[in-house]
Amino acid sequence: GNSVTQMEGPVTLSEEAFLTINCTYTATGYPSLFWYVQYPGEGLQLLLKATKADDKGSNKGFEATYRKETTSFHLEKGSVQVSDSAVYFCALSDQFAGGTSYGKLTFGQGTILTVHP
Amino acid sequence: ETGVTQTPRHLVMGMTNKKSLKCEQHLGHNAMYWYKQSAKKPLELMFVYNFKEQTENNSVPSRFSPECPNSSHLFLHLHTLQPEDSALYLCASSPTGQGPSYEQYFGPGTRLTVT
Repeated sequence: GNSVTQMEGPVTLSEEAFLTINCTYTATGYPSLFWYVQYPGEGLQLLLKATKADDKGSNKGFEATYRKETTSFHLEKGSVQVSDSAVYFCALSDQFAGGTSYGKLTFGQGTILTVHP
Repeated sequence: ETGVTQTPRHLVMGMTNKKSLKCEQHLGHNAMYWYKQSAKKPLELMFVYNFKEQTENNSVPSRFSPECPNSSHLFLHLHTLQPEDSALYLCASSPTGQGPSYEQYFGPGTRLTVT
């Protein structure tokens, strides 16, 4: 079956530091890949996505590139802010036979990021 | 701003109580999901509904009973819960179609405490 593995957290950084959160996946076929973010007390929000190999998703200064050869989708940001403190989830979609999909996702375990001033 | 709302936001219930969680989406989606999020555990998908039909039940105990009367509303009926059922329950929705993938949109969750 499908699976997603994220780097163990928590990750603690100083403001303006460079961020990398590793994500690797196992899937059959050609899944789409997502990063979601969960701020304290809230639900998950889509941060970025990539639907095919070599696609780069980007949003709010975050980037991730769909690497089929290494089955990875690492999240990066060049300069983090205190407001980026949250839990980050990597996820992939299931593509159902027959071509009809409805977005069923497999999530990684989440990585807690804390950014200090 | 979210197009998925959940009520109540917080719920405390005894093990003998019966309560229901409600989820409503205003996005015109046809698929809806219930997740359980416990501390230090991965997100657990509980149920999936597509066009009001349940398409997935991930071995969820029968004390959790979902209901999807239409594509905009999803309920989770709770009865005789256990303390280990205390968690954040998240609802999500997504489109359905022929595209490569569709992201899910999440509600803010209901924080459930079972005493």
